[in-house]
Amino acid sequence: NAGVTQTPKFQVLKTGQSMTLQCAQDMNHNSMYWYRQDPGMGLRLIYYSASEGTTDKGEVPNGYNVSRLNKREFSLRLESAAPSQTSVYFCASSEAWGSAGNTIYFGEGSWLTVV
Amino acid sequence: SQELEQSPQSLIVQEGKNLTINCTSSKTLYGLYWYKQKYGEGLIFLMMLQKGGEEKSHEKITAKLDEKKQQSSLHITASQPSHAGIYLCGADFASGTYKYIFGTGTRLKVLA
Repeated sequence: NAGVTQTPKFQVLKTGQSMTLQCAQDMNHNSMYWYRQDPGMGLRLIYYSASEGTTDKGEVPNGYNVSRLNKREFSLRLESAAPSQTSVYFCASSEAWGSAGNTIYFGEGSWLTVV
Repeated sequence: SQELEQSPQSLIVQEGKNLTINCTSSKTLYGLYWYKQKYGEGLIFLMMLQKGGEEKSHEKITAKLDEKKQQSSLHITASQPSHAGIYLCGADFASGTYKYIFGTGTRLKVLA
């Protein structure tokens, strides 16, 4: 019953360092997402991949890059981390983007602190 | 998101009490989704509502969607400490471009 698995769970970075958050889903979903969650701001979409081979910007894409490696995996990269990127990051997946009844399933989150 | 308002922002109740959380949209939505979040456990999907007037229940949690598909309520009967956490509503819309957004959450604490 893995569902959506993301790693690492916790990470501390120094300003300017780079890192990649990994995500994999085993539900054969077409669409995958990266969100960040900040106090008072709720969940905000960083990037999404509606289907394998496509990626699109969400609400807050600046400072991030993504790669849809295959149908299962969707990674998020911080090229030069900034303190403003301190947040909890959630990977998620759903059967399809853009269709009614599109339930999104989430991973357990990655707590990232940039000092 | 301001397009999806949740209320109240936080709630403290005594164990055994009933409570209601609301989620309101200014637009007609495709679907309304309820999630529960506990620290370190990510968001757990609870229920999806699509039809106006629809009501679903899971154990002691009941969610309803109004006829106009703009407001949903989540009702917990006889609350328990295990119900504590953050409840988030999410909704998708199709006015123009497809969009999926979340409310800012309701933090629930249940006192034993």
